[in-house]
Amino acid sequence: GENVEQHPSTLSVQEGDSAVIKCTYSDSASNYFPWYKQELGKRPQLIIDIRSNVGEKKDQRIAVTLNKTAKHFSLHITETQPEDSAVYFCAANPPRGTYKYIFGTGTRLKVLA
Amino acid sequence: DTEVTQTPKHLVMGMTNKKSLKCEQHMGHRAMYWYKQKAKKPPELMFVYSYEKLSINESVPSRFSPECPNSSLLNLHLHALQPEDSALYLCASSHPGLAASIDSNEQFFGPGTRLTVL
Repeated sequence: GENVEQHPSTLSVQEGDSAVIKCTYSDSASNYFPWYKQELGKRPQLIIDIRSNVGEKKDQRIAVTLNKTAKHFSLHITETQPEDSAVYFCAANPPRGTYKYIFGTGTRLKVLA
Repeated sequence: DTEVTQTPKHLVMGMTNKKSLKCEQHMGHRAMYWYKQKAKKPPELMFVYSYEKLSINESVPSRFSPECPNSSLLNLHLHALQPEDSALYLCASSHPGLAASIDSNEQFFGPGTRLTVL
């Protein structure tokens, strides 16, 4: 079955710096890769996602890159702000017809003012 | 309406109690999910309903009993829980993968029910 590894588990950056979180998946058939942000006591919220037919996607300060050959994808946050502090989860979704997200273990991001 | 709602927000119950968690969405999604999330861990899938039929049960103990009365509602009935079942219970919904003409697998999460079992 699919397995997703996520690194680092914690990440501290200075406000204004960039943050990068990396995930590796095992099932080459997985074709959808969402990133969720979860603030303390709140629901996971989708911040960006990417499909396997795309190598990069950007939304303002957030970008995701996908390397299908290496089976890894990364979240990039530029110009970090204190409100970016949260736990970030990556996930991999096997092909259509299945519903399971396989989540990574999470990264706690702290943006220091 | 682009929200998934859950009630109650908090629930404290004893090990002999019977209670239910409720989830509702009006986005026309035909797949609905129950997740359990412990502190500092990712959500852990429990059940998936597709078109009101149970399609995935991740070997969840029978003290958790899901129910999908219609396409907008999802319940989780709780009975004889253990203290280790204390967690945040999240509901989510999405378009089913097979039928979606919309190319989206996005799962929308509800705010969760914080459950404490004494």
